[in-house]
Amino acid sequence: DSGVTQTPKHLITATGQRVTLRCSPRSGDLSVYWYQQSLDQGLQFLIQYYNGEERAKGNILERFSAQQFPDLHSELNLSSLELGDSALYFCASSWGGAGGPTFSTDTQYFGPGTRLTVL
Amino acid sequence: AQTVTQSQPEMSVQEAETVTLSCTYDTSESDYYLFWYKQPPSRQMILVIRQEAYKQQNATENRFSVNFQKAAKSFSLKISDSQLGDAAMYFCAYSTFGTSYGKLTFGQGTILTVHP
Repeated sequence: DSGVTQTPKHLITATGQRVTLRCSPRSGDLSVYWYQQSLDQGLQFLIQYYNGEERAKGNILERFSAQQFPDLHSELNLSSLELGDSALYFCASSWGGAGGPTFSTDTQYFGPGTRLTVL
Repeated sequence: AQTVTQSQPEMSVQEAETVTLSCTYDTSESDYYLFWYKQPPSRQMILVIRQEAYKQQNATENRFSVNFQKAAKSFSLKISDSQLGDAAMYFCAYSTFGTSYGKLTFGQGTILTVHP
């Protein structure tokens, strides 16, 4: 158990709908990362938040958005869903470190993932 | 942009034997981190081992060790005394630190089968 929790574990929805995926980082971790794992794209970085602020953006679609709340949990919102959005969505967390990134503080630990199926 | 390549889509090994998984990467940076993650059928991503680029000494974690060749941009994973529980997809990953603060770039993965 990595200490990172994600809900729900599975989500089945229809095209055009909107869903919210939730992530709680390990206790004390300031950084949250979202990744998408699909058969055709592999594992891709979507977005990172550090202590409530967006820090880095990857291949995240405009239909997708995320935020990190004051209690450091994060939500990934996916809207206008398409069949191709079906994937495993992972959240990872790392401490981040008050003095800036270091090896120990930036090792990422992953949650169990949310399996999204769009029908 | 950094890229990570795992050229072996599948590998197999007999229980108790040793297997090496290959990984190469491309970067123009001098300081970075490298990781191997394991993804068993449960789909959980589990950190196996990590390496800091400035450290010449190869990382070791029990039966897992790496061969880090910085000049060749190579980072292979050796699994000794393979066990049935080692069967999984293995991902090599790269992260920088600094402005991008550690986002991971993954390879395509290698499926490892362990035969009893």
